[in-house]
Amino acid sequence: DAGVIQSPRHEVTEMGQEVTLRCKPISGHDYLFWYRQTMMRGLELLIYFNNNVPIDDSGMPEDRFSAKMPNASFSTLKIQPSEPRDSAVYFCASSPQIFGQDQPQHFGDGTRLSIL
Amino acid sequence: ELKVEQNPLFLSMQEGKNYTIYCNYSTTSDRLYWYRQDPGKSLESLFVLLSNGAVKQEGRLMASLDTKARLSTLHITAAVHDLSATYFCAGPNFGNEKLTFGTGTRLTIIP
Repeated sequence: DAGVIQSPRHEVTEMGQEVTLRCKPISGHDYLFWYRQTMMRGLELLIYFNNNVPIDDSGMPEDRFSAKMPNASFSTLKIQPSEPRDSAVYFCASSPQIFGQDQPQHFGDGTRLSIL
Repeated sequence: ELKVEQNPLFLSMQEGKNYTIYCNYSTTSDRLYWYRQDPGKSLESLFVLLSNGAVKQEGRLMASLDTKARLSTLHITAAVHDLSATYFCAGPNFGNEKLTFGTGTRLTIIP
């Protein structure tokens, strides 16, 4: 089975530009999570979805960040306008509905974002 | 919200030695997860601990969970260089599917 697929792997852009990160979860997984990882703050949950519906977006840092999940196989995280402090590695993860069993969250390879 | 503390944050150890990484969490939880991350890579699931007293082993790594003490440990036996990585523990928040991750333990195995 294919794992969680993220694109792009690397993104370098100038401050003020719009950035869109993409994620394809593992087929059949009902939960999708967006995380941000930095040296200073570690791994932070930004938002998560259940069956394409946003459940908790309390980790989204500002209104400049938005996330959508139009269908079960695709999600986007958008930053507009981008700022240098948004530079980080952004991970997408997915897990099946029965989270409490022996199924952990499965992580994608991440997108390394650099805002100049 | 659940708080998760790991220690040590950094650990250098010689090959062949044993050591333990500790993970303390703030509220009652019956589950605990361990992940490994190599530099520049994704997080890889190592262990899922589902109940008090749970113990799981994979190669030179053994993880355990004590829900009463709110403590999980990751024990490394006879360390080898391939185990050099950052190890994270994570716990679920009550009533939802959010995971809170610890700060990670950067492990370096010295030949």
